[in-house]
Amino acid sequence: QLQLQESGPGLVKPSETLSLTCTVSGGSISSSAYYWGWIRQPPGKGLEWIGNIYYGGTTYYNPSLKSRVTISVDTSNNQFSLKLSSVTAADTAVYYCARDSGANTVPGYVQPPYFFDYWGQGTLVTVSS
Amino acid sequence: EIVLTQSPGTLSLSPGERATLSCRASQSVSRSYLCWYQQKPGQAPRLLIYGASSRATGIPDRFSGSGSGTDFTLTISRLEPADFAVYYCQQYGSSPLTFGGGTKVEIK
Repeated sequence: QLQLQESGPGLVKPSETLSLTCTVSGGSISSSAYYWGWIRQPPGKGLEWIGNIYYGGTTYYNPSLKSRVTISVDTSNNQFSLKLSSVTAADTAVYYCARDSGANTVPGYVQPPYFFDYWGQGTLVTVSS
Repeated sequence: EIVLTQSPGTLSLSPGERATLSCRASQSVSRSYLCWYQQKPGQAPRLLIYGASSRATGIPDRFSGSGSGTDFTLTISRLEPADFAVYYCQQYGSSPLTFGGGTKVEIK
């Protein structure tokens, strides 16, 4: 059974960089069939897609966050990571990592991202001094 | 980007009743690339439907999706106690991915 687990600091100071890692177990992050994504949810609010990455390193970012986001992959440790710079209180949220399996369901010319079928439990990151 | 508007915001129903949730897009969703998730308090979202009408693995057949263009619907034929939750639609017809604001299905 595939499992994803987020890890990283739960408290980040304003203007600093938020860093999270997602460890994938029960499956290989290097599978050609999947992409891997980050999604966040402010307390009591809806979901926002942050970005996706392919095991080869290709990334796809939400334009609203693109200038501050970096997603990277470490295939040797079956992990991918999120860095969000210059954080403010508005970045306080539960951050989820997830597997994007939509590539199996669309024609090859349709570009990612797609949808998420496996999710981590989420980790709350609070931005506060 | 495509804005998704879900209605109603809250749906109050009893177990055994039928639930009909709406998701309307600000522009046509390419190839009906729309999916639905269920989220319970303190949990991650769970994929229910993709491609507007295909059920994800392990999803009971009381959940069904329909629609195309700008109007999509999630129907739960007979509500069970485990179905009371918040439901989100999400489109992947164009980047960036966007989610609707959610519909809460609560026990009446």
